[in-house]
Amino acid sequence: NAGVTQTPKFQVLKTGQSMTLQCAQDMNHEYMSWYRQDPGMGLRLIHYSVGAGITDQGEVPNGYNVSRSTTEDFPLRLLSAAPSQTSVYFCASSYRGGRIYEQYFGPGTRLTVT
Amino acid sequence: AQKITQTQPGMFVQEKEAVTLDCTYDTSDPSYGLFWYKQPSSGEMIFLIYQGSYDQQNATEGRYSLNFQKARKSANLVISASQLGDSAMYFCAMREGWVDSNYQLIWGAGTKLIIKP
Repeated sequence: NAGVTQTPKFQVLKTGQSMTLQCAQDMNHEYMSWYRQDPGMGLRLIHYSVGAGITDQGEVPNGYNVSRSTTEDFPLRLLSAAPSQTSVYFCASSYRGGRIYEQYFGPGTRLTVT
Repeated sequence: AQKITQTQPGMFVQEKEAVTLDCTYDTSDPSYGLFWYKQPSSGEMIFLIYQGSYDQQNATEGRYSLNFQKARKSANLVISASQLGDSAMYFCAMREGWVDSNYQLIWGAGTKLIIKP
């Protein structure tokens, strides 16, 4: 199993550009989520999905869109990049079963918006 | 109000000593779960240990244990016999509600642990 994969690892955008961060998992996990990590702060939830076709907003959804057409993929779209979106983005997935539903994380995407 | 508070931004500990990383939480939900994750300098997030609010015993996983004091709303991570490879950021996180109804985690700001040789 590759686990949770994210592409790209690094990206530099100009203000106003759009792009899609890719996330895929091969563990057949129902739950997937996107977080951003900023210095001095914990992870903040952007969007999440509890299954294909179902998405919902987290704590900081503005400026981001998601879709979940398959169980495996959960892309995050930046509509019009702003410097405030400079951050490290993590995708995570979780198996709906067992006792604790711990989240498995991808390696992260470091995004800089100039 | 902060739901998860980690009061130690950074800590230095001598190799082989035990270390306690503090985490306090705030919730009115009787059912919740507490997680600790490790983030080494390479950036990945690694799950370490979990404690459920109804668990009767403190969780342990190898050198990691969780000192769970429910009345004080604290869930401190204890690392025994620290190693150089333990140097990393450590995050405490909470899920409120029954596990089947809420997947979302609330995160603390983290503690940077540096192990000195």
